[in-house]
Amino acid sequence: SQTIHQWPATLVQPVGSPLSLECTVEGTSNPNLYWYRQAAGRGLQLLFYSVGIGQISSEVPQNLSASRPQDRQFILSSKKLLLSDSGFYLCAWGDGTVNAGELFFGEGSRLTVL
Amino acid sequence: AQRVTQPEKLLSVFKGAPVELKCNYSYSGSPELFWYVQYSRQRLQLLLRHISRESIKGFTADLNKGETSFHLKKPFAQEEDSAMYYCALLPKTSYDKVIFGPGTSLSVIP
Repeated sequence: SQTIHQWPATLVQPVGSPLSLECTVEGTSNPNLYWYRQAAGRGLQLLFYSVGIGQISSEVPQNLSASRPQDRQFILSSKKLLLSDSGFYLCAWGDGTVNAGELFFGEGSRLTVL
Repeated sequence: AQRVTQPEKLLSVFKGAPVELKCNYSYSGSPELFWYVQYSRQRLQLLLRHISRESIKGFTADLNKGETSFHLKKPFAQEEDSAMYYCALLPKTSYDKVIFGPGTSLSVIP
């Protein structure tokens, strides 16, 4: 069966520090991968998605970037965090085929920038 | 532009009462629409999709293309229905990105 893991679960970082959130999927190949940010009152905001290695689509211009160095690995990064980057980040995967739209989510990473 | 709106941030209903969570979308074509649910301390998960026309946990949702709506309904709310509900849209021109609405927090009062 397929599983998705993301880490760390909780992160407290000072303003201006770098960020790296990692997400890996097991049990499937060539998945579509997604990073969302979940904020109270703003719902789920799509940040990045990827349909293959090295292919990244950015939905919201901001202080963050994403990379997909391997088929089942998706990384969310920042060189210098801002206070506004605080939030709950969710990684998800989908098969991008007939079941497109059915996403499977990780447990999330809560980032607090101080 | 593709957009999903859910006008109610919070919705409270009594147990046994009908519940309707509203969802409207903006999309020029024919999208696929979904409802996702997140129970307390659980992962966000798919509840139902409009193409399957099924009832899940007593919930149904009908796509109304004229009103561009996809409201989620249940005739008799249960306490275990308390959760965060998100409406989502998959543009058929791009079977890649899934766009979510802001969500509605449903609270069922015993």
